[in-house]
Amino acid sequence: GQNIDQPTEMTATEGAIVQINCTYQTSGFNGLFWYQQHAGEAPTFLSYNVLDGLEEKGRFSSFLSRSKGYSYLLLKELQMKDSASYLCAAPTYGQNFVFGPGTRLSVLP
Amino acid sequence: DAGVIQSPRHEVTEMGQEVTLRCKPISGHNSLFWYRQTMMRGLELLIYFNNNVPIDDSGMPEDRFSAKMPNASFSTLKIQPSEPRDSAVYFCASRYDAGNSPLHFGNGTRLTVT
Repeated sequence: GQNIDQPTEMTATEGAIVQINCTYQTSGFNGLFWYQQHAGEAPTFLSYNVLDGLEEKGRFSSFLSRSKGYSYLLLKELQMKDSASYLCAAPTYGQNFVFGPGTRLSVLP
Repeated sequence: DAGVIQSPRHEVTEMGQEVTLRCKPISGHNSLFWYRQTMMRGLELLIYFNNNVPIDDSGMPEDRFSAKMPNASFSTLKIQPSEPRDSAVYFCASRYDAGNSPLHFGNGTRLTVT
């Protein structure tokens, strides 16, 4: 089975840096995905990690530690438009694409 | 690429009525997923198909829910009879079955059962 955990809510200030954590327990690790979902919209793909370390993509970076079952999404130079929910998913080899509960990020001016 | 196409975008129906949600995956994708999203329960996986075959339907809440994928370009999720607690946003998503291939979501169907 799978167990994915994320903080429910976070608040940060425009221009700041925020780190959103994700812990997972899964049988048959096959990579970890991060998605962004704005209110009233569908989730959209942000990043994928399968090896340990940091993957940087513009203002967004994602980190993975397979031995600790831990990942985080790092958002730099926060903008108001970054206010959204952020979901992580760790599909198994059976491709059962299950998401964590999501972290709702509010960016304040 | 048109992306994953879902219809209808909104559906309002009365309790007891049959509801059919439709999905066209991205061409070339061989895995299709149905999700339900509510504030209370988040994004729940209902069922997924691989090469048109249902692989895991353990997330389907009860026998009132059924899903089919008659071919690689079409899937339906049916609720019969519908109940108010089925009110939610239903997402369809597809991907190519490879490790780093992301899921692509449709815009969802917002279902309201009164």
